[in-house]
Amino acid sequence: IAGITQAPTSQILAAGRRMTLRCTQDMRHNAMYWYRQDLGLGLRLIHYSNTAGTTGKGEVPDGYSVSRANTDDFPLTLASAVPSQTSVYFCASSGLAGGTDTQYFGPGTRLTVL
Amino acid sequence: RKEVEQDPGPFNVPEGATVAFNCTYSNSASQSFFWYRQDCRKEPKLLMSVYSSGNEDGRFTAQLNRASQYISLLIRDSKLSDSATYLCVVNGYANAGKSTFGDGTTLTVKP
Repeated sequence: IAGITQAPTSQILAAGRRMTLRCTQDMRHNAMYWYRQDLGLGLRLIHYSNTAGTTGKGEVPDGYSVSRANTDDFPLTLASAVPSQTSVYFCASSGLAGGTDTQYFGPGTRLTVL
Repeated sequence: RKEVEQDPGPFNVPEGATVAFNCTYSNSASQSFFWYRQDCRKEPKLLMSVYSSGNEDGRFTAQLNRASQYISLLIRDSKLSDSATYLCVVNGYANAGKSTFGDGTTLTVKP
């Protein structure tokens, strides 16, 4: 089934630990994105990638890193988690880069940092 | 001022009502506009794109007003299933790769 998958679905993490959230799409989309959504707020862009091999910083990149080694995968890494990173993380992809195309979202990862 | 602002609501309306949401944006160079729907903190899904000439999809109508820098979403004959949070999304070549989401407007349709 075409779409975006994210793993894990949810995670409770001790502060200071390293964590990688996985995101894979099988639609051969060029662009991929990572967002976080805090309760009562909209989505805020963390990092994006317009094409394999390139990445860019979004609105809230501090404390996060990404890589885009191939078209399908776009992992998000928290090097040393802090409680303020407790959030729901959504990965998305779109056929065209530049944010001008429809974005398709994964089901999200609910992360709690204690 | 936020780049994209929405009235958070909640909007509580009876079935069959007509309801409208507005979304204002600050970047006059913005090029693309969308409405997404989000249910109970699940993943957002595209409801409709917003074109300069306005567009309609069944009971939903979206309009763009570039002069006043806002987009609107009109829902006619509201259904219980329309209860959700509606997110406004604004993109622009000036913010290459960066989509800006509003905080969302919550709609509850009651019997």
